[in-house]
Amino acid sequence: EPEVTQTPSHQVTQMGQEVILRCVPISNHLYFYWYRQILGQKVEFLVSFYNNEISEKSEIFDDQFSVERPDGSNFTLKIRSTKLEDSAMYFCASRGSRTGFDEQYFGPGTRLTVT
Amino acid sequence: AQTVTQSQPEMSVQEAETVTLSCTYDTSESDYYLFWYKQPPSRQMILVIRQEAYKQQNATENRFSVNFQKAAKSFSLKISDSQLGDAAMYFCAYRNNFGNEKLTFGTGTRLTIIP
Repeated sequence: EPEVTQTPSHQVTQMGQEVILRCVPISNHLYFYWYRQILGQKVEFLVSFYNNEISEKSEIFDDQFSVERPDGSNFTLKIRSTKLEDSAMYFCASRGSRTGFDEQYFGPGTRLTVT
Repeated sequence: AQTVTQSQPEMSVQEAETVTLSCTYDTSESDYYLFWYKQPPSRQMILVIRQEAYKQQNATENRFSVNFQKAAKSFSLKISDSQLGDAAMYFCAYRNNFGNEKLTFGTGTRLTIIP
């Protein structure tokens, strides 16, 4: 069964450093998402991406965040200058179509720890 | 903006018994979907069950069923014959069927199964 994969599973970085979280969505999917979950809290939407551009972003997704689909298979989330409060689990998700009943398939997540 | 509320931070149930997790939501839309996701300690997000708002019939998936009350904006999850493997965080989520297709999550209910 096709699945969304994410690397690394755990990333530790120092405050102020740049990190890139990588995702490989399901191959025929067209819509891509990043969500964040701070430990013990709910899952929050960060950004959605379609046709090589951002379709929606939340207020969390400020100028320090960016997304890219560099090669048609990977989907990356970059945090330019990490802060302590960026420590969270980051989930990538993908969908085949925009509307209708098909679900978003989630990857296993990347745990980001900022020290 | 849509909101999802889960008023039970924690629930527990005896193995083999039935438990119901509550969820309410707020939206002005008529065409939307509702989901229950399970998050075990691995933190992977696993889709448990989904409901289309235009369908009056409640969704069922084996031991999992929902009670969807559209007028009351209520969407509860019933787990029958609870098993030890059901122990997890359960998140209720909402999604429009047009425009912004992001998922909006509730704060979650931690379910403990008592052997």
